[in-house]
Amino acid sequence: AQSVTQLGSHVSVSEGALVLLRCNYSSSVPPYLFWYVQYPNQGLQLLLKYTSAATLVKGINGFEAEFKKSETSFHLTKPSAHMSDAAEYFCAVSDFADKLIFGTGTRLQVFP
Amino acid sequence: DGGITQSPKYLFRKEGQNVTLSCEQNLNHDAMYWYRQDPGQGLRLIYYSQIVNDFQKGDIAEGYSVSREKKESFPLTVTSAQKNPTAFYLCARSLLGVETQYFGPGTRLLVL
Repeated sequence: AQSVTQLGSHVSVSEGALVLLRCNYSSSVPPYLFWYVQYPNQGLQLLLKYTSAATLVKGINGFEAEFKKSETSFHLTKPSAHMSDAAEYFCAVSDFADKLIFGTGTRLQVFP
Repeated sequence: DGGITQSPKYLFRKEGQNVTLSCEQNLNHDAMYWYRQDPGQGLRLIYYSQIVNDFQKGDIAEGYSVSREKKESFPLTVTSAQKNPTAFYLCARSLLGVETQYFGPGTRLLVL
């Protein structure tokens, strides 16, 4: 069965620093992988999606993620953090039965 | 609103009371989902529906009920059997076979 592990429930960075949020998955078949962002008291917004086309996926707001099969990872990065990036980020994997399995989330804090 | 609305934004439940959360979508998507979100636990699937008049239990269906009488509507009832209903509830929609889910703004349920 598919599963997702997000390492680090909280990540803090300074404004302008690199953002790295970690996600590892387990899947018996090549997966579809997702990153979502959630701002306080709001729903989840899709950042980006991997569907086996290109291993480096670019998303909204300057984020990107790289699919590494050998490491079963799909880490999310952004070269330069902005105050507005402070939010909770969720990694998810598809079970190919039209359901998503979500990680427990990583809260990103950005300090000035 | 991303094609999916939830109401109300905040809902209060008294002891022994059933309450119903509304979820409506206007993009003719086949599948709809209900999730419960608690701090530090990510999203847990309550119920989902892939076709009108049919729905399946998710991981935490006990104490909840749903209906899908129309394609655009998927209301969730939190029954008095749910002993710990305080949470943030999220509804989502997707096209079958595409896997990507799009979320509504959420309803926060509080117990008086």
